[in-house]
Amino acid sequence: DIQMTQSPTSLAASVGESVTITCLASEDIYGSLVWYQQKPGKSPQLLIYGATILEDGIPSRFSGSGSDTQYSLKINSLQPEDFASYYCQNGLSTPLTFGSGTKLEIK
Amino acid sequence: QIQLVQSGPELKKPGESVKISCKASGYTFTDYAMHWVKQAPGKGLKWMGWINTYTGKPTYADDFKGRFVFSLEASASTANLQISNLKNEDTATYFCARGQLNPYWYFDFWGPGTMVTVSS
Repeated sequence: DIQMTQSPTSLAASVGESVTITCLASEDIYGSLVWYQQKPGKSPQLLIYGATILEDGIPSRFSGSGSDTQYSLKINSLQPEDFASYYCQNGLSTPLTFGSGTKLEIK
Repeated sequence: QIQLVQSGPELKKPGESVKISCKASGYTFTDYAMHWVKQAPGKGLKWMGWINTYTGKPTYADDFKGRFVFSLEASASTANLQISNLKNEDTATYFCARGQLNPYWYFDFWGPGTMVTVSS
């Protein structure tokens, strides 16, 4: 199984700042990395797939990058609604595996 | 618009069974796979497996083989998850999610989740 190691586990930032979350796959996943946002009590929402492709309707302050085993999610100019948990997911092969999540909190 | 509507919360005792439904609307049900994802309280996401909505064939992740059954009522655009012989560790929110594979596996629409509580 492909293991996804996400960091940091939690992160505190202020509105207007930029943050980066990273995800390391245990083997090459050939750019098939997916990012989700989850707010408390809600279901996850797709942000990015294929490592860099922004889902329709997602603000352009979200961006993804990476290749091989190393990937990152960057959020520019944080807005109040961005404070949530973020998960990466291996999109290459089953079993589909998630990172352990990053909780982004307001400083 | 595309929607996945799940059945309501369940409170069960250990050893009982539960069946969760996920009704899809706004798209052709059989054109997309349906996946199931578990989230224990305060924990992360765990993929349980998926069902091919065209053929009805289920595929289970290793940790979900045996007591878990994915099924369909295709005529009603509904996918079901049944869990038998419930254990305390089955307490979780269960999400259905529409699956994409073009060429990446990912979930573009999610149900709101069904909370299952197992307690004696």
